[in-house]
Amino acid sequence: ILNVEQSPQSLHVQEGDSTNFTCSFPSSNFYALHWYRWETAKSPEALFVMTLNGDEKKKGRISATLNTKEGYSYLYIKGSQPEDSATYLCAFGDRGSTLGRLYFGRGTQLTVWP
Amino acid sequence: EAQVTQNPRYLITVTGKKLTVTCSQNMNHEYMSWYRQDPGLGLRQIYYSMNVEVTDKGDVPEGYKVSRKEKRNFPLILESPSPNQTSLYFCASSLQRRHTEAFFGQGTRLTVV
Repeated sequence: ILNVEQSPQSLHVQEGDSTNFTCSFPSSNFYALHWYRWETAKSPEALFVMTLNGDEKKKGRISATLNTKEGYSYLYIKGSQPEDSATYLCAFGDRGSTLGRLYFGRGTQLTVWP
Repeated sequence: EAQVTQNPRYLITVTGKKLTVTCSQNMNHEYMSWYRQDPGLGLRQIYYSMNVEVTDKGDVPEGYKVSRKEKRNFPLILESPSPNQTSLYFCASSLQRRHTEAFFGQGTRLTVV
């Protein structure tokens, strides 16, 4: 079982604050890193899939960076809004594993207060 | 609309009574998997399938069975459910490449009493 760590476990911020959280994964055998957003009572939805060292992806106020050499990815939210409240999951695709298999972290639960 | 459909959404059952949770996708994806989500533990993979008739165990397969007779369907079978299988279950599908996103079903909340 591969170890994918996310920190912090939970985060509470005020509306308008910018925030970021971390996903750490094994630096060897890297193939892909996924970020998902999971709102309460819904199912996880993909935000980004990154495959190259140095990748940066952006969707609106949310962006992500990837460092495969040191085994981490950051997710940034600029100007947090209450609707950003969700659990953010990262998932690691390992080169040595079955095609399609992902290893998920435990998530960072973000709460944005108005 | 591209989607993964799970049924039922909610289920309360008794210990030992066999049940099946269905999962169907309409995107012609090769890869399908089942996860369970428990508080503080994140998503843990139960079983996965790389294509029709090809399945393998994930990290927590004990007490579960799966089958993949058709590409679109991947049911999860609990032959003799026990209370420790009370959990939130998700089915997911993706193209059989690691850099494509996974699409998740709506989830099934199972309670075994």
